[in-house]
Amino acid sequence: DGGITQSPKYLFRKEGQNVTLSCEQNLNHDAMYWYRQDPGQGLRLIYYSQIVNDFQKGDIAEGYSVSREKKESFPLTVTSAQKNPTAFYLCASSIPHGGGAGYTFGSGTRLTVV
Amino acid sequence: AQSVTQLDSQVPVFEEAPVELRCNYSSSVSVYLFWYVQYPNQGLQLLLKYLSGSTLVESINGFEAEFNKSQTSFHLRKPSVHISDTAEYFCAVSLRSSASKIIFGSGTRLSIRP
Repeated sequence: DGGITQSPKYLFRKEGQNVTLSCEQNLNHDAMYWYRQDPGQGLRLIYYSQIVNDFQKGDIAEGYSVSREKKESFPLTVTSAQKNPTAFYLCASSIPHGGGAGYTFGSGTRLTVV
Repeated sequence: AQSVTQLDSQVPVFEEAPVELRCNYSSSVSVYLFWYVQYPNQGLQLLLKYLSGSTLVESINGFEAEFNKSQTSFHLRKPSVHISDTAEYFCAVSLRSSASKIIFGSGTRLSIRP
């Protein structure tokens, strides 16, 4: 079955450490997205990519970085510059300019700073 | 720019009672509208969507939503809820013309009491 796989499900980060969250899809979608979810704040867009080798900052990109070297993969790195990284991270994909097709989401990665 | 407002952050109801989750949007152009559901520690799943045609759309598990253009609303309803409906519900909008990013509301947590 086609879908989006996020790994790991739970991740712990020490202060000052960079960590990378994986997102892989086999839906043949061109567009991919990363969201951060905090209690009571809904979803906030971190980065998105409409095509391979191209990506744009979302609303809260500071302290994060991404790459899009393959259509299937859109990893997110949480850098030490992100001062409050504890959150639930969601990856999504869609056809280009998703519009009426909506997004398909992964099951999320919960990141905790220890 | 378009925006989405979910008027209630939490809605507690008794099992088998009816429920309405309210959603208003603002946009100067035509939009697509969505409702997503998120069960605890999972990603978002598309519940239903309005693209065009009949203003009343239904999901397979008994939810329905009605697009009201004059009131710019897309409220979600279910005549009789079940314990398994306990989840967070997100309303979302995207523009028909550019159909790029989907904008999400802040979510409504539906809790069902036995």
